[in-house]
Amino acid sequence: DTGVSQDPRHKITKRGQNVTFRCDPISEHNRLYWYRQTLGQGPEFLTYFQNEAQLEKSRLLSDRFSAERPKGSFSTLEIQRTEQGDSAMYLCASSVPGKLNTEAFFGQGTRLTVV
Amino acid sequence: GESVGLHLPTLSVQEGDNSIINCAYSNSASDYFIWYKQESGKGPQFIIDIRSNMDKRQGQRVTVLLNKTVKHLSLQIAATQPGDSAVYFCAEGITGRRALTFGSGTRLQVQP
Repeated sequence: DTGVSQDPRHKITKRGQNVTFRCDPISEHNRLYWYRQTLGQGPEFLTYFQNEAQLEKSRLLSDRFSAERPKGSFSTLEIQRTEQGDSAMYLCASSVPGKLNTEAFFGQGTRLTVV
Repeated sequence: GESVGLHLPTLSVQEGDNSIINCAYSNSASDYFIWYKQESGKGPQFIIDIRSNMDKRQGQRVTVLLNKTVKHLSLQIAATQPGDSAVYFCAEGITGRRALTFGSGTRLQVQP
């Protein structure tokens, strides 16, 4: 296990379709984060899991977005009825408990293009 | 690979020179700050962090300076190398909260 793994790396979908992304964190990292990044911008926080519990959600996470981490290991992020504005890079990060979340390691992201 | 930040401010330096990347943060309640490096097609990579009770912290070839009075953060890279070419983001956080707030980034281009 060399790092945070995200799948797929790229996804092109038609507007209105549903998409699901997967994140496999570093083994034994109990904290998992999802961020969204659009071109020219820094990542924006979406949600945070500690084990299987979703403890923080951003207002950016509209009701079309849902994230799960059923067994406290991998996580999925689903977007329903995709819109062109959903086109972005979706980043996952994981960390172990610490005083700061600077221990978070990011995956390479899933690039979503909605056409 | 894909490009991160097509319209970012760009700092262009010669190899071997020192680089200074600046960041203005927004939340006076933030009590820690992190600099990340992001290469094209990759996720952000941690460089160095600093807590609000410090005004300077040094790492290997990097130094972060924090001025809380004007809410300003800087990253100094000594003897910049071509491998330092990337987009650099500052991020701010509040202890107890998991969300980081990222700045908009600066592209560093190192000319050989």
